[in-house]
Amino acid sequence: EVQLVQSGAEVKKPGESLRISCKGSGYSFTSYWISWVRQMPGKGLEWMGRIDPSDSYTNYSPSFQGHVTISADKSISTAYLQWSSLKASDTAMYYCARRGYSYENWGQGTLVTVSS
Amino acid sequence: AIQMTQSPSSLSASVGDRVTITCRASQGIRNDLGWYQQKPGKAPKLLIYAASSLQSGVPSRFSGSGSGTDFTLTISSLQPEDFATYYCLQDYNYPHTFGQGTKLEIK
Repeated sequence: EVQLVQSGAEVKKPGESLRISCKGSGYSFTSYWISWVRQMPGKGLEWMGRIDPSDSYTNYSPSFQGHVTISADKSISTAYLQWSSLKASDTAMYYCARRGYSYENWGQGTLVTVSS
Repeated sequence: AIQMTQSPSSLSASVGDRVTITCRASQGIRNDLGWYQQKPGKAPKLLIYAASSLQSGVPSRFSGSGSGTDFTLTISSLQPEDFATYYCLQDYNYPHTFGQGTKLEIK
């Protein structure tokens, strides 16, 4: 069974750094791209970017380029989303998703709360 | 970036109704479009990929159509479990982009 398991909820202060994770299992991790999707409270879905775990090639949405970094460690089948300096506006639920035909598998989501 | 305009933003309907949601792309995207269902507090779920292909395990009352710039998701006979928010997503080119969502509510 294909599974994407994300790390747990985080509470951070503005200016702090953070890395959240998404561990894939039940399939060949390097054969499918992983994307990250943001959902701010009460709002819609926003595609942030994607990584090819086989070579760590990335694409970012212009809305997120330069503010987040997507990476992967294929040796442990894990993708990451990280911030070097969080803002209150980064408060949101973040999902990872595996792209097969489309985004057919999703993680359970990681809630990130940024508050002073 | 390709803009996806989804309509309506909300819709009230009754169990048994036939409903249609549309998505229009700002440029042609072939058939590189998926439809997703999201329930409160849950991750999105893929319903339709490649505009008209039913994802495994999804009930046949869901169907998709369209190509190029105009797409539709149809639910032939609404069931209680179908009340949720629906999104389209173009994966034709980067950045992939979602529609704004359609919240389907019980009338």
